[in-house]
This record gives sequence, structure tokens and C-alpha cells, in this order.
Amino acid sequence: AQRVTQPEKLLSVFKGAPVELKCNYSYSGSPELFWYVQYSRQRLQLLLRHISRESIKGFTADLNKGETSFHLKKPFAQEEDSAMYYCALSGKSSSNTGKLIFGQGTTLQVKP
Amino acid sequence: DAGVTQSPTHLIKTRGQQVTLRCSPKSGHDTVSWYQQALGQGPQFIFQYYEEEERQRGNFPDRFSGHQFPNYSSELNVNALWLGDSALYLCASSRQGVETQYFGPGTRLLVL
Repeated sequence: AQRVTQPEKLLSVFKGAPVELKCNYSYSGSPELFWYVQYSRQRLQLLLRHISRESIKGFTADLNKGETSFHLKKPFAQEEDSAMYYCALSGKSSSNTGKLIFGQGTTLQVKP
Repeated sequence: DAGVTQSPTHLIKTRGQQVTLRCSPKSGHDTVSWYQQALGQGPQFIFQYYEEEERQRGNFPDRFSGHQFPNYSSELNVNALWLGDSALYLCASSRQGVETQYFGPGTRLLVL
């Protein structure tokens, strides 16, 4: 079964603390993994994708195929990072033409 | 470029009615996907349109149907509305062969 699991509904940290948002996935094949973010009153937007291997707004995510995980990390949280974060996967096969499968989301709350 | 646009922003219907939601993709995009996001949940894939045809469908009943026009814009139709259809409906656009999807602001549907 194709599934994305984000075990934490809410993650609350203080400004300057490290952040790790967990994401585990189940997919038979080679998926593409994404992190999307939704700030208050804004639309869902792409934060980063694993094949880009880039850092956006200080966030990084490494695909661990052995553990089937794609955790999102940032060494020092900022108040403006407070938002809802969704992990998503997309597969490439004849039966999957790029649909995104989302986790349930984690609310990150960064306290001053 | 206004990005992905959706109309209307909000809609209230009663059980048994029918609704049509509209989406205009980002400039240069030819593929449109629709998602349903219930309160507190991640978006769930409904279907995807490319070249005016439904390419892939998620686990949604036939009451959910769609259409794509030659200018790549798309409609989502839902017949015989249930209370459980109350949700935020998201449209996302992409270019064929490119996995990254860009989301619209959504249409919030309330079924009474």
C-alpha cells in the first residue's frame, strides 16, 4: 500500500532550538518525496523535494531508503517557521502518473 | 502570473445538490489535479486531467467527475452532495513529466 505517515500532529519548540519533523513512507518502487508547507492564510506551497538536494529557508531533508523516511530538519527554528508541514510522495509507474499522496500534516509551533 | 486560481472561494450547498468548482492552471502548465482536504487531514487525490482526459483517479465515487478544457482549465463536479463532502477542494497544476505541483488557494465547500 502507498502511504505517508507523519506521527506528530503538533511539534512545539522554542526559537533557536533544532527542529525535526518526521515522515515515513510505504511505497513499492522509487518514489519522489516532497515537503509542502502552508503558512497561516496562505496556499499550500512546495518547500523542497528530495531530488533537488537543496536547502530552503534553512530546512533540509534526506531520503533514507533503508528506513523509508524523509525527515525534515532545521538546526535553529525561527518564529516565522510556524506553519503546517505536509510530507508527500509521488511515484513513477504506469499506474501512477504523478498523483501526490500526503501525510496528515504536522503543525510546527515556534515559541519566542 | 497569478499562479493557480480557483473559483469560487467559498460555497454553501444542501444535501442532494450538485456543485461545480473551477480551476485555472499556472501559465505554461498542462496538467491539472484535484484534491479533497477534510478538516485536520492531508489532501487526498481525486483525479488528474491531461490532454482533456482523466488520466488517473483516486478512491472517490462516480459522483465526482471532472473536465479539462482546451485552454487547460478544469472543472470538478460533485453530484448528490453528502454532508461528508464538506471540505477544502484544492486544484494543483503541473507540466507533463514534471513532478512538482503548484496549488491554488482552494474552494471551501460546506454541505448542510
